[in-house]
Amino acid sequence: SQQGEEDPQALSIQEGENATMNCSYKTSINNLQWYRQNSGRGLVHLILIRSNEREKHSGRLRVTLDTSKKSSSLLITASRAADTASYFCATAIGMSGNTPLVFGKGTRLSVIA
Amino acid sequence: ETGVTQTPRHLVMGMTNKKSLKCEQHLGHNAMYWYKQSAKKPLELMFVYNFKEQTENNSVPSRFSPECPNSSHLFLHLHTLQPEDSALYLCASSQDPRGGGETQYFGPGTRLLVL
Repeated sequence: SQQGEEDPQALSIQEGENATMNCSYKTSINNLQWYRQNSGRGLVHLILIRSNEREKHSGRLRVTLDTSKKSSSLLITASRAADTASYFCATAIGMSGNTPLVFGKGTRLSVIA
Repeated sequence: ETGVTQTPRHLVMGMTNKKSLKCEQHLGHNAMYWYKQSAKKPLELMFVYNFKEQTENNSVPSRFSPECPNSSHLFLHLHTLQPEDSALYLCASSQDPRGGGETQYFGPGTRLLVL
């Protein structure tokens, strides 16, 4: 079934550095979303990028989408210890209703102060 | 706070017990979801309700029984669970299921341990 695959599985960086996470998927999508999850908590929506968009920004977040390569990247600039969390991409493959999101396994980001 | 609440936050139950998880959304959304999150596995969609009607049952065992009395409330009734059912159970909602792949708002989850 359609699934986003995040890469890397885990990432450890120093505070102030940039963090880049990638997501690859298999079939055409309607949109792709990124979510963050702090340990043992619910997921929080970060950003949604539609299939006809190539780049979106939200604060320190930058998301790109390359539909020809079926991939997306999430860049967090000037990382902070509070950015430590797991990050998931989720793909929506349908154009009509009742289209559930399909989540990947996530990238676990550790930002060391 | 996302506007989606879940109770209880933690639950320990034996394999012969019957318990229920509750989810409530205060966002005026029309779609609600149950997910299971196990260690080192992708988030698994269990059930989807659109306008109180179940539209997806992702081959979930019958020991999990969902109930959606109205658009704001969603329950997951549990009975005769197995230890492998231990996981974080997440509820989510979205505004209009007809939109296709909308943003979902998640509750904090119920951490379930089956002994």
